[in-house]
Amino acid sequence: DAKTTQPTSMDCAEGRAANLPCNHSTISGNEYVYWYRQIHSQGPQYIIHGLKNNETNEMASLIITEDRKSSTLILPHATLRDTAVYYCIVSRDTGRRALTFGSGTRLQVQP
Amino acid sequence: DVKVTQSSRYLVKRTGEKVFLECVQDMDHENMFWYRQDPGLGLRLIYFSYDVKMKEKGDIPEGYSVSREKKERFSLILESASTNQTSMYLCASRSHTSGSSYNEQFFGPGTRLTVL
Repeated sequence: DAKTTQPTSMDCAEGRAANLPCNHSTISGNEYVYWYRQIHSQGPQYIIHGLKNNETNEMASLIITEDRKSSTLILPHATLRDTAVYYCIVSRDTGRRALTFGSGTRLQVQP
Repeated sequence: DVKVTQSSRYLVKRTGEKVFLECVQDMDHENMFWYRQDPGLGLRLIYFSYDVKMKEKGDIPEGYSVSREKKERFSLILESASTNQTSMYLCASRSHTSGSSYNEQFFGPGTRLTVL
């Protein structure tokens, strides 16, 4: 699986958009970009995933650059409950494979 | 809507004890995983199973074993607990993917194990 690079931590004001970047310059053509988050003392939770196109769901939007070497997770209106560690993961979409979690980005939403 | 449950949220054991951590999923998933999470080291895969009675070693299997006798249940066993196994243990399950559809990996709430 391709390696990902994320900032260690970020702050965001409540109600503003949180934009979390991820670099994955060695991504291969059959690898997807996944985002999970982990709120303190809970297990990780799936947010969104994508291959080439931008994706949006009720939680977030995922913007993938045309060369697929980087992506951005966007939380459009961050709330205090969005304070968590966000993991960007690149992997082939095979259910048998365990996901490899890096260190992630610790997002602190400020009131 | 409970999906992945773990037998205990907190557990305290003594060095040398045999420890069982149980995980149950109600989604009929083929694949189940055990991770441990430590500060600064992230989530590390211990073992996984893609079918009943099947198991594969992950990145850090030493000191652990697993059992999958039923599809819904995946147990992690510490044969002789040691202090360096004090950690947060997370179980997860995922359906086997075919085609282009993605199957989310669901995690349990975790078991914080302390070995004294």
